[in-house]
Amino acid sequence: EIVLTQSPGTLSLSPGERAALSCRASQSISSSYLAWYQQKPGQAPRLLIYGASSRATGIPDRFSGSGSGTDFTLTISRLEPADFAVYYCQQYGSSPPTFGQGTKVEIK
Amino acid sequence: EVQLVESGGGLVQPGGSLRLSCAASGFTFSSYSMNWVRQAPGKGLEWVSYISSYSSSIYYADSVKGRFTISRDNAKNSLYLQMNSLRDEDTAVYYCARDPRLYSGGWSLSWFDPWGQGTLVIVSS
Repeated sequence: EIVLTQSPGTLSLSPGERAALSCRASQSISSSYLAWYQQKPGQAPRLLIYGASSRATGIPDRFSGSGSGTDFTLTISRLEPADFAVYYCQQYGSSPPTFGQGTKVEIK
Repeated sequence: EVQLVESGGGLVQPGGSLRLSCAASGFTFSSYSMNWVRQAPGKGLEWVSYISSYSSSIYYADSVKGRFTISRDNAKNSLYLQMNSLRDEDTAVYYCARDPRLYSGGWSLSWFDPWGQGTLVIVSS
């Protein structure tokens, strides 16, 4: 199965700053079949990005996804208070679908 | 509004059984494949099982194969997960999650959207 490694484990930033979260795959992900989710404490994950770069319905344009092959990035252009959460990447190019271990974005 | 609501979680002893349910509303349930995804306390996400719109395709993670059974009742807009021979490591919040694309045959891996709020399963003596 494809192993996804997210880095850093924790990102400490201030509101208004730019966040760049990395997701690296153990093998190439076909057709950029990669998604990103946001999860806040006590809540279910919420889809942000699919197809590596397509924003889900209702997701603000400060969230963007990029990458291909084995290296993918989620960028939050200007952090707002509601953006401090844990972010997960997920690949759906190869069975079974797998998730990264998560990156926590915390307030500095 | 598309909504998924899980129920059926609770405390169960190792070796025991539990049946989870997921009630769907706000969309044509029979047109979409569904999944179960779990999250152990303080840990990451793990896909558990998939079922196609009319149950013709079913898949499981190796960690639950032979112990868990996924099913659905399209007339009741409901998804189920029968969990047998439960182990300590099955302790987790269990989410049902939809494949957001209209079903078109076979198992086409997908992202998940939306998710239910989850139901907690604790396996402990």
